[in-house]
Amino acid sequence: SYVLTQSPSVSVAPGRTARMTCGGNKIETKSVHWYQQKPGQAPVLVIYYDSDRPSGIPERFSGSNSGNTATLTITGVEAGDEADYYCQVWDSTSDDQAVFGGGTKLTVL
Amino acid sequence: QVQLQESGPGLVKPSETLSLTCTVSGFPVSSNTYYLSWIRQSPGKGLEWIGYIYYSGSATYNPSLTSRVTISIDTSKNQFSLKLRSMTAADTAVYYCACSSGRLFDSWGQGTLVTVSS
Repeated sequence: SYVLTQSPSVSVAPGRTARMTCGGNKIETKSVHWYQQKPGQAPVLVIYYDSDRPSGIPERFSGSNSGNTATLTITGVEAGDEADYYCQVWDSTSDDQAVFGGGTKLTVL
Repeated sequence: QVQLQESGPGLVKPSETLSLTCTVSGFPVSSNTYYLSWIRQSPGKGLEWIGYIYYSGSATYNPSLTSRVTISIDTSKNQFSLKLRSMTAADTAVYYCACSSGRLFDSWGQGTLVTVSS
């Protein structure tokens, strides 16, 4: 089955740029979606189809996907961005299933 | 506005069957637009997709759970449901229902904690 690999944690000072990666074999051939989850809350979609933003998500959130790595970038990080971030793809190669990465904990210093 | 709400027992005994229901508002579950999914998250862990059902009643499951899971749809109540058999402590988790118009999850319920314990 398809595996997505995320770094466990990223720390960044307020106002700086946070980059979180999601690794997978030829992930550029798949559509990647990103979710933000704050403690005790359900996940929220922040980026879909690699780089699109749902309405209500600030322009500070952006995404890209190339080669074996997809990246979620948050510019001008704010304290309220502190959360877990999960990437997700749909694997239709071997099994027809949704696959999530293990998540990255973003800490705002 | 799409809203989903999970309901069901918060405590299940080992070996028993978990039954959860997701009540949907904002669109009919009979719509051919949406995929209706269940996702869970063990305490302190990541997200695990359980499966989805389409308006036709066709369901697809996570291969690791397919022998124990059934997802069904009730168009008369605008609900869809999850049954997970032979529960063990490893199935203790927050269970979410979610929906989307594609292979992603753009609306989620608030989640319901299910604990497996005797």
